[in-house]
Amino acid sequence: DAGVTQSPTHLIKTRGQQVTLRCSPKSGHDTVSWYQQALGQGPQFIFQYYEEEERQRGNFPDRFSGHQFPNYSSELNVNALLLGDSALYLCASSLDRTDTQYFGPGTRLTVL
Amino acid sequence: KNEVEQSPQNLTAQEGEFITINCSYSVGISALHWLQQHPGGGIVSLFMLSSGKKKHGRLIATINIQEKHSSLHITASHPRDSAVYICAAGGSQGNLIFGKGTKLSVKP
Repeated sequence: DAGVTQSPTHLIKTRGQQVTLRCSPKSGHDTVSWYQQALGQGPQFIFQYYEEEERQRGNFPDRFSGHQFPNYSSELNVNALLLGDSALYLCASSLDRTDTQYFGPGTRLTVL
Repeated sequence: KNEVEQSPQNLTAQEGEFITINCSYSVGISALHWLQQHPGGGIVSLFMLSSGKKKHGRLIATINIQEKHSSLHITASHPRDSAVYICAAGGSQGNLIFGKGTKLSVKP
């Protein structure tokens, strides 16, 4: 049984560009959450998706958007990239919003 | 003041020592999570608890709801326990508010 997978592993972009990160949840999980982790900091909650809808959102600007597909996989899109968007982006899936979250390996985004 | 505070930030121990990491939170929670993050980023959930105490192998997690405080203990520490340990407050909607983590290094 595959766990949570994310792609790509690493990504380098320049300021102003747009990026799409992808996440496939653990088999049987229908809830996907996205987190941003800056170097040396704890992860920060971006948003959570369930049944193809954004159910909750953290304190992130509208440049950060997402989508969940019928197979529960999810995408995180970031527009107009800033240097400060450089971070490790983590996806986590769970059976239910309050259940244990299983994390993917993350996508390391570098904005130059 | 952060909503989830951990102490210490860094911890160095000798193999075999008993280790305690503390977590205080100021928000209402449905559960308190302890997670482990190894170099490279992978995060593993260790415990999710809403009361009392849980044990898994050499790891023990406790929580005091009234005092809004939790501790993670590692007995008979080993170099392979070296990692960042993160405490996270789980809200009723499932979002997690993370502490900054405690970097543990266990020397042989």
